Amino acid sequence: QVQLQQWGAGLLKPSEALSLTCAVSGGSFSGYYWSWIRQSPGKGLEWIGEIHHSGTITYDPSLKSRVTISVDTSKNQFSLKLSSVTAADTAVYYCTRGGLQRPHVNWGQGTLVTVSS
Amino acid sequence: DIQMTQSPSTLSAFVGDRVTITCRASQSINSWLAWFQQKPGKAPSLLIYKASSLESGVPSRFSGSGSGTEFTLTISSLQPDDFATYYCQQYKSYSRTFGQGTKVEIK
Repeated sequence: QVQLQQWGAGLLKPSEALSLTCAVSGGSFSGYYWSWIRQSPGKGLEWIGEIHHSGTITYDPSLKSRVTISVDTSKNQFSLKLSSVTAADTAVYYCTRGGLQRPHVNWGQGTLVTVSS
Repeated sequence: DIQMTQSPSTLSAFVGDRVTITCRASQSINSWLAWFQQKPGKAPSLLIYKASSLESGVPSRFSGSGSGTEFTLTISSLQPDDFATYYCQQYKSYSRTFGQGTKVEIK
């Protein structure tokens, strides 16, 4: 059974960098899309970006200048970095695994990241 | 970017009701549409992919239809466990986008 376990700092100050990691267990790392999605308190889902095991990466245009998604296949992990955070980046961040046909089949538990001075 | 618009934003219904949620895309996405269910405090879960394919383990009372720009999620007989928020997402373009969500409440 595939499990995604994510972790990272939960409290940041404005202008700091957000860094989250998601570890995959119980399943293959290759052949899938690995995504990050966030949800601001009381709001809807926002797709941040994704990386395919082949190395193809795409980002939401509104976040592209601040986002980096990377993968460490040796550790079955992928990561999200978001620079220069503001209060608007306060959200629960989720990592997901999906396929070409079936997106976001597996989800991490979510990490609440709060940006506050 | 492809914009996704869901309606209604909130829906009140009785147990046993037939419920339909609509999702419209700002341009054609063929059948590259998924539906997700999210309960409070939980991660979303995939219900429907490729507009009409039921994810494994999802009850058959859920169904999806549509192609191009207009899609629907139907719950044939609403059950207590179905009260949740539902999101559509297009995955045709490289920049995936979600609808704003539809909250299904108990009437």
